[in-house]
Amino acid sequence: QVQLVQSGPEVKKPGASVKVSCKASGYTFSTYGLSWVRQAPGQGLEWMAWINTHSGGTKYAQNFQDRVAVTTDTSTNTAYMELKNLGSDDTAVYYCAIIEGVDFWGQGTLVTVS
Amino acid sequence: EIVLTQSPATLSLSLGERATLSCRASQSVETFLAWYQQKPGQAPRLLIYDASYRATGIPARFSGSGSGTDFTLTISSLEPEDFAVYYCHQRINWPKFTFGPGTKIDL
Repeated sequence: QVQLVQSGPEVKKPGASVKVSCKASGYTFSTYGLSWVRQAPGQGLEWMAWINTHSGGTKYAQNFQDRVAVTTDTSTNTAYMELKNLGSDDTAVYYCAIIEGVDFWGQGTLVTVS
Repeated sequence: EIVLTQSPATLSLSLGERATLSCRASQSVETFLAWYQQKPGQAPRLLIYDASYRATGIPARFSGSGSGTDFTLTISSLEPEDFAVYYCHQRINWPKFTFGPGTKIDL
């Protein structure tokens, strides 16, 4: 079965960077692209980025264009999302997700900026 | 960017009642509209895709309708597990998705 397992919670200082991982299993990694979606405490869902796991091509939301980078390591079927220059308003749960006709989500990673 | 608005923000209902949730898009998304359910501490769960198709394992009490800019999610008779937040989500600009702000159904 398809599983997306994310790395554990992070606490970062303002101005720092965070890198969240998302390990995929149960399917051929290059079959589906991976999106990253975040959710601030008590707030809604915000799409951040997407990566084509076959070609490595990326798309980013305008709000994050200059601060986010998504990458993959096809040898370990793992995707990464790095967010730079963190501020307090980046405190959120970050999800990786397959949203491509099929729909699977990771468990989420809480990033606290304080 | 396509902006989605949802109404109402909160819906206070009782078990067995019918819930009607609305989602409006700032421009046509044709039928590339999905609905998610989210409970506290959980990832979103897909309910409806392409405006009106139930995802695998979703009970028949959930139904979606609409096209263009106006969409509706209906829960015909609320069960205890249905009290949650519901988000609409446009996919016409795949993979540059946007989500609505959510509607909370509470008791």
